[in-house]
Amino acid sequence: GAGVSQTPSNKVTEKGKYVELRCDPISGHTALYWYRQSLGQGPEFLIYFQGTGAADDSGLPNDRFFAVRPEGSVSTLKIQRTERGDSAVYLCASSLDPLDEQFFGPGTRLTVL
Amino acid sequence: DAKTTQPNSMESNEEEPVHLPCNHSTISGTDYIHWYRQLPSQGPEYVIHGLTSNVNNRMASLAIAEDRKSSTLILHRATLRDAAVYYCITSNTGKLIFGQGTTLQVKP
Repeated sequence: GAGVSQTPSNKVTEKGKYVELRCDPISGHTALYWYRQSLGQGPEFLIYFQGTGAADDSGLPNDRFFAVRPEGSVSTLKIQRTERGDSAVYLCASSLDPLDEQFFGPGTRLTVL
Repeated sequence: DAKTTQPNSMESNEEEPVHLPCNHSTISGTDYIHWYRQLPSQGPEYVIHGLTSNVNNRMASLAIAEDRKSSTLILHRATLRDAAVYYCITSNTGKLIFGQGTTLQVKP
């Protein structure tokens, strides 16, 4: 079946712009996760959803970052006033429930110039 | 910060077993031990997880110490496709805190 998909695969933007990154989880997965990964580092947890609600958003670095999952399926990660330090690969994952294995998407590579 | 400690890198020969160690001395009673791996230019991939008992699946085995303060991921016959960064994570929620992991090199 279809895995986790993320769009766009690459996004180049200018400092100060707004970006949206989309994640389509595996159908039926109630839990959805966002991570980001900088070069040479392990993935960094940002937020996870159980259904429509954010179960843990402790990893969001500041109030420029926001994520939604209005119908409990697709999720959008929104970054306002982007900074060069936001450049990274943004990974999305989903699982049947929070203690199950997480299936990761291919990521969106964000470059802020 | 990651709550686990792993060696930065390890080497193995193809078709030989590999034992990847992980220390998690502050693990809580409800934390599971998860292993993921990440191949170059790909997202992480689940390998195995366990709570107290040793676990086996088609990819690997997980040996958990009796006091649960350490564990070992065992790849029974390493192949070149097993070359990856292996992450050991302890968690009792969906939140996974990845450390630096162990970079496994497999030599033909």
